[in-house]
Amino acid sequence: KNQVEQSPQSLIILEGKNCTLQCNYTVSPFSNLRWYKQDTGRGPVSLTIMTFSENTKSNGRYTATLDADTKQSSLHITASQLSDSASYICVVSARTAGNKLTFGGGTRVLVKP
Amino acid sequence: GAGVSQSPSNKVTEKGKDVELRCDPISGHTALYWYRQRLGQGLEFLIYFQGNSAPDKSGLPSDRFSAERTGESVSTLTIQRTQQEDSAVYLCASSPGTDSGANVLTFGAGSRLTVL
Repeated sequence: KNQVEQSPQSLIILEGKNCTLQCNYTVSPFSNLRWYKQDTGRGPVSLTIMTFSENTKSNGRYTATLDADTKQSSLHITASQLSDSASYICVVSARTAGNKLTFGGGTRVLVKP
Repeated sequence: GAGVSQSPSNKVTEKGKDVELRCDPISGHTALYWYRQRLGQGLEFLIYFQGNSAPDKSGLPSDRFSAERTGESVSTLTIQRTQQEDSAVYLCASSPGTDSGANVLTFGAGSRLTVL
């Protein structure tokens, strides 16, 4: 069964600090992995998308890594800002018909001043 | 349009009533998805459209749920005889095509359904 597990479920950090979110998956055959940011009351917005051959991808202060051998990904937030408070969702796509995505449960990040 | 539009943004209904939720995808996007997100939970896949056909309906939780898409554009998710367990945010997303290796889903803001 395809699964995506994220940790921690939630975390609180002080403004200006860094944090790292984890994503482990068992989706096969692997196609790509995406990180989304979901603000409260809004739909998810894409941050990064990585295919099998990509190890690192950055989007501003967000840096995602992918280890396809261990089936792990991380999202690193640098110099956090209050606007980074949101849920971060790891989504893995299997290379199968139908383009079905498997969503992780998300990590809720709260940045405090 | 510029983004994915969903309506209504909020819907409160009584148990047993039928509801219709609408999604207007980005113009030209052939793939359209419906997801359900219960409070504090992750997204659950409901159904996927490619054009007007739905090759994957595996996520629809019961026969009370149905969806259609017309003109390779607007989609409607219908929930019949609503139950309190149906209370959730229903998210619609669209993407340019079927290649999951290249296309990013653009989500709407969701329709929040509350069944009393």
